[in-house]
Amino acid sequence: DGGITQSPKYLFRKEGQNVTLSCEQNLNHDAMYWYRQDPGQGLRLIYYSQIVNDFQKGDIAEGYSVSREKKESFPLTVTSAQKNPTAFYLCASGFSRGRGETQYFGPGTRLLVL
Amino acid sequence: AQSVTQPDIHITVSEGASLELRCNYSYGATPYLFWYVQSPGQGLQLLLKYFSGDTLVQGIKGFEAEFKRSQSSFNLRKPSVHWSDAAEYFCAVVYNTNAGKSTFGDGTTLTVKP
Repeated sequence: DGGITQSPKYLFRKEGQNVTLSCEQNLNHDAMYWYRQDPGQGLRLIYYSQIVNDFQKGDIAEGYSVSREKKESFPLTVTSAQKNPTAFYLCASGFSRGRGETQYFGPGTRLLVL
Repeated sequence: AQSVTQPDIHITVSEGASLELRCNYSYGATPYLFWYVQSPGQGLQLLLKYFSGDTLVQGIKGFEAEFKRSQSSFNLRKPSVHWSDAAEYFCAVVYNTNAGKSTFGDGTTLTVKP
């Protein structure tokens, strides 16, 4: 059963704590993306990766970090430097062919600050 | 920079009425255009996409969209709305010169009256 999964569904972060959001896909997609969604706003790109062991900053990368050690996995760490982390985080994947491709989205993780 | 505008933040229609959601994109290289739908607390689901060819594209759930280059628009339509269509709708654009990165509009929330 192919798809893209995110865990956990809800995540609570204490002040000064780093937390990691998981994103896994078994669609054999080359590209993976992390977006942040705030109420009343569209999706803003945090980081993206077109191939394994390579990733680029998106529009709002400050306070976040990622890794891409495996094709299937693209975890996002929200660091203590991110002062306003409360948001809905969406991971997506797609085939990377140097042009636009359809992105497939996971169900999202809602991050809340205690 | 590429941008996407969805002029209507919120639209209310009666069940069975027709629907049109507007989307305008900034002029640039050949655009690839997408419409996604998001139910509360969920990820995004692709409704339809335009890459090239026929400017009227059909999607899932009875939706269609028309690409009009002269107006830089890609409006989403449905002839008869069902209560289950209530959701948030996002338009997205990718330019083939931008490594597949998507830019999303801020979304339009659709409410369906019985």
